[in-house]
Amino acid sequence: QVQLQESGPGLVKPSETLSLTCTVSGDSLSGYYWTWIRQPPGKGLEWIGHIHYSGTTDYNPSLKSRVSMSVDTSKNQFSLKLTSVTAADTAVYFCARGSGRYVYWGQGTLVTVSS
Amino acid sequence: EIVLTQSPDTLSLSPEERATLSCRASQSVSSNYLAWFQQKPGQAPRLLIYGASSRATGIPDRFSGSGSGTDFTLTISRLEPEDFAVYYCQQYGSSPRTFGQGTKVEIK
Repeated sequence: QVQLQESGPGLVKPSETLSLTCTVSGDSLSGYYWTWIRQPPGKGLEWIGHIHYSGTTDYNPSLKSRVSMSVDTSKNQFSLKLTSVTAADTAVYFCARGSGRYVYWGQGTLVTVSS
Repeated sequence: EIVLTQSPDTLSLSPEERATLSCRASQSVSSNYLAWFQQKPGQAPRLLIYGASSRATGIPDRFSGSGSGTDFTLTISRLEPEDFAVYYCQQYGSSPRTFGQGTKVEIK
């Protein structure tokens, strides 16, 4: 059974970098795209971007200047970095498998941007 | 970027009633790559429909999707208590992937 689990700091200061990791179990990263999606409290879903296991990325233009993603196939993990965060980046961050029609999701992790 | 507009924002219905949710795209969705998700509080979204009309594994047949091009519909034939939730459409035919703003199906 495929499982995804997000991990990382729950509190980040304004102007700093948000860093999250998604650990995948029950399957290999190989052959798939891996996605980050976020949801501000009480609001809708926003696609952040995805990364292919080979390293090819595609980011939301609205975040492109601040986002980077990477994969670590040896650890079966992929990661998200978002720089220069503000309060508007406060959200639950989800990782998911695929480039659409996401069947497998992490449970989500709340990241709060506050000093 | 394809903008998805869902209607209505809120749907107030009773159990056993039929729910009809709409998702309209600002331009044609490539290959009808349109998905529907259900989300309950504190949970990750759950895939219901992909490719506009294909049910995901394990999804009851009371959920059905239809439409093509720019107009798509999710129908729940008879609402069960566990169906009261927020529903999102998403297009994955072009980049960036985009979601609709969501429709909340609430108990009347």
